[in-house]
Amino acid sequence: GNSVTQMEGPVTLSEEAFLTINCTYTATGYPSLFWYVQYPGEGLQLLLKATKADDKGSNKGFEATYRKETTSFHLEKGSVQVSDSAVYFCALSDFQIQGAQKLVFGQGTRLTINP
Amino acid sequence: SQTIHQWPATLVQPVGSPLSLECTVEGTSNPNLYWYRQAAGRGLQLLFYSVGIGQISSEVPQNLSASRPQDRQFILSSKKLLLSDSGFYLCAWSLFRDRGNMNTEAFFGQGTRLTVV
Repeated sequence: GNSVTQMEGPVTLSEEAFLTINCTYTATGYPSLFWYVQYPGEGLQLLLKATKADDKGSNKGFEATYRKETTSFHLEKGSVQVSDSAVYFCALSDFQIQGAQKLVFGQGTRLTINP
Repeated sequence: SQTIHQWPATLVQPVGSPLSLECTVEGTSNPNLYWYRQAAGRGLQLLFYSVGIGQISSEVPQNLSASRPQDRQFILSSKKLLLSDSGFYLCAWSLFRDRGNMNTEAFFGQGTRLTVV
């Protein structure tokens, strides 16, 4: 079945460092890909998405490019801030049943940014 | 704008007690609704989804059940909780996806942290 593999955490960086969180997937067909972020004690928020190969999703300085040839969707940010500390989840859209959207998530990567 | 409400935010329940978590969505009609669980140190697992009133699909066999008594209401229940039911439960909604709508993201509630003792 479809699956998502994420970089193991936790990841600790200093403020203004460059961030990469790796994500690779296994899927049949052409799923959409997502990065969700979970701040402490909260639910998940969509950070960015890409719906087809070579699409680049971006938001709040974060970017990820849908790479079909390497089945990857790595998350990057050029200069992280303390406020970026959260858990990040990579996800793909699985088959749709009657229009429903099933998301398959990676394990999540906890990111801590130190001032 | 659409909003999703989930309650309670935290819950501590003894083993063998019943459970009822509620989720409601505002600002949209006929949403697809989902319950996910996030166990400690693990990713999110889809438990149930619903594409309409009274329609429930279960992804994994377990001690829980779901119901959708109204279009924008989704309830997660258990008759007798187990220790293994502890976790962070998230309700989510998405639009119906068809040729006219290719939006695929899901929108999540704030979550309920359930501790079974």
